[in-house]
Amino acid sequence: GAGVSQSPSNKVTEKGKDVELRCDPISGHTALYWYRQSLGQGLEFLIYFQGNSAPDKSGLPSDRFSAERTGGSVSTLTIQRTQQEDSAVYLCASSLLAGMETQYFGPGTRLLVL
Amino acid sequence: AQTVTQSQPEMSVQEAETVTLSCTYDTSENNYYLFWYKQPPSRQMILVIRQEAYKQQNATENRFSVNFQKAAKSFSLKISDSQLGDTAMYFCAFMNHNNNDMRFGAGTRLTVKP
Repeated sequence: GAGVSQSPSNKVTEKGKDVELRCDPISGHTALYWYRQSLGQGLEFLIYFQGNSAPDKSGLPSDRFSAERTGGSVSTLTIQRTQQEDSAVYLCASSLLAGMETQYFGPGTRLLVL
Repeated sequence: AQTVTQSQPEMSVQEAETVTLSCTYDTSENNYYLFWYKQPPSRQMILVIRQEAYKQQNATENRFSVNFQKAAKSFSLKISDSQLGDTAMYFCAFMNHNNNDMRFGAGTRLTVKP
């Protein structure tokens, strides 16, 4: 595709349910990033992938959060047993390589946990 | 840990005039990258400009330029000839050369008035 796409664009869920957020990076981009943006806040780095590997998972807020990437392309961010404080916009970005390459952002998934 | 501070939560400027957005950061590293991203109401994050710390020359991109003061750990963004389409949230970001953990400031909401 022409840009980074994310689905769903909006998700409303009940507290305690699991959710999966999907990111399709730009074709050929080897690096993929996940960020969280809470209302009126800056972006919080969660995790990045170089290929299918995530070298550092320490940015994930809790063990309820996990992410995977298969085939060096699509990535899924999973939040188990969602809590109200998980409500935020989750942004995905990709770049040709990791490092200072320009990151291209998707439109985000707005998650609301009731 | 690296931190990024944007001390101006909101700013406004008249169309066609010049505005400067402030950003300071804290790091013990010597080799890093700095970015300004724009997030319009559509929520799409767009790279405005970037600067490699080892380069003394300030980066410029058309109407956008930076004043990079490495010793002062300051990275301000100047927007010349402001246009209505420049209205957006602007985020300053820092990335260490050795990892891919991008740190964002809290953002400055810029409004360009006609």
